[in-house]
Formats: sequence, structure tokens, C-alpha cells
Amino acid sequence: EAQVTQNPRYLITVTGKKLTVTCSQNMNHEYMSWYRQDPGLGLRQIYYSMNVEVTDKGDVPEGYKVSRKEKRNFPLILESPSPNQTSLYFCASSFINPGYEQYFGPGTRLTVT
Amino acid sequence: GIQVEQSPPDLILQEGANSTLRCNFSDSVNNLQWFHQNPWGQLINLFYIPSGTKQNGRLSATTVATERYSLLYISSSQTTDSGVYFCAVVNNTDKLIFGTGTRLQVFP
Repeated sequence: EAQVTQNPRYLITVTGKKLTVTCSQNMNHEYMSWYRQDPGLGLRQIYYSMNVEVTDKGDVPEGYKVSRKEKRNFPLILESPSPNQTSLYFCASSFINPGYEQYFGPGTRLTVT
Repeated sequence: GIQVEQSPPDLILQEGANSTLRCNFSDSVNNLQWFHQNPWGQLINLFYIPSGTKQNGRLSATTVATERYSLLYISSSQTTDSGVYFCAVVNNTDKLIFGTGTRLQVFP
């Protein structure tokens, strides 16, 4: 089954404790991206990747890191999480660029206390 | 940049009713997608529809790119249709721009 998976689905952590949210797709997509969704602010792009070893900042990259060492994986790293990073996070992928059909992961609900 | 507006912002229906959701965009695009975010937060791609009409069960969508709008039709609505519906387009810098969303509540 074609899908994007994210782990963990739910996470409660404390300020400053490094964490990684994993994202994996099995569709051989070149384009992957991360979004955060906050009430009243909609979906905002954090980082995206056009292909392996190619990543770029989205609209709200501060406080986040990503890597794309393999085509299927695109982890999101929070080196020192803060409460303002409490949010619902989505990973997405598409064939070549976002102009193609986007597939979203199930979401990760992160709470930073 | 491109603006994507959706209407209505909120919609309340009784089960069995039909509805039409609208998405207007300010610039020409050659791609448009409709998503449903269910009450559990999951985002599901409903249609990739840069132009023309597509149907999938009780849902159908029409995009008239030359007039810069798209419509999503939901027929015989069910409680499982509840959630938020987003349209999204890609701008000239390859960014996916989401619309403002329509929150749909279907009651039995």
C-alpha cells in the first residue's frame, strides 16, 4: 500500500530535550516536505527536499533541522525544543515537486512543556 | 503572492444533504488539489484536479482554471464527511499554498 508513515504519532516532551520525528514513504517520490499546523495559522511549510541530499528552508524553519540521506526517509529534528514548537506536524511527499499529487503522513502531535 | 480563498468557512448539514464547496485562486495555476482533514487530524488527498471534472463515489470536483475556481460537490452527506476541506495550489516558486478551509459538520 502506497503510504507516508510518521513516528511517533504523539509525543510529550520537555524543553531542551532533543527529539526526532521520522518520516518514510514507499512511493519512490523525489519531493518530501514537513509542515506544521496551528489553530488560526493553517499549514506552514518548515523544510522541503527536492531529492536526496537536497534540502531547503520553507516558511518557518527556525528551530528545526532535516536531512535527506535516502530517498525514502526525511526526518525532522528538533535540537532544543521549546513550547512554541507545540503543534501538529505533517510529512508529505509527491512525485517530483509539489505540483503533483501530495500524500500526507498521519501527523505527529507534539507537546513541549 | 497567490491567494486562495474558500467558501463557505463553515457548513452544517443534516445527513443526506448535498453541498458545494468553492475554492477561488487569484492567479493562473496548472494544478489544484482538494484535501479532507478528518476530526482525528489526518489529511487525505481527495482529488488532484488541475482542470476538468472528476468523480469518486459521492464526491466530485470541477476546476475551471481559466476562471480561477474549483468546486467540490458532496452528495448524500454522511457523518464521516465531517472535518475540514482544503484546496491547495502550487505558486510560481513551487510552494504549495493552502486555502482557508471549509469546516463541515454533518449531523445524523
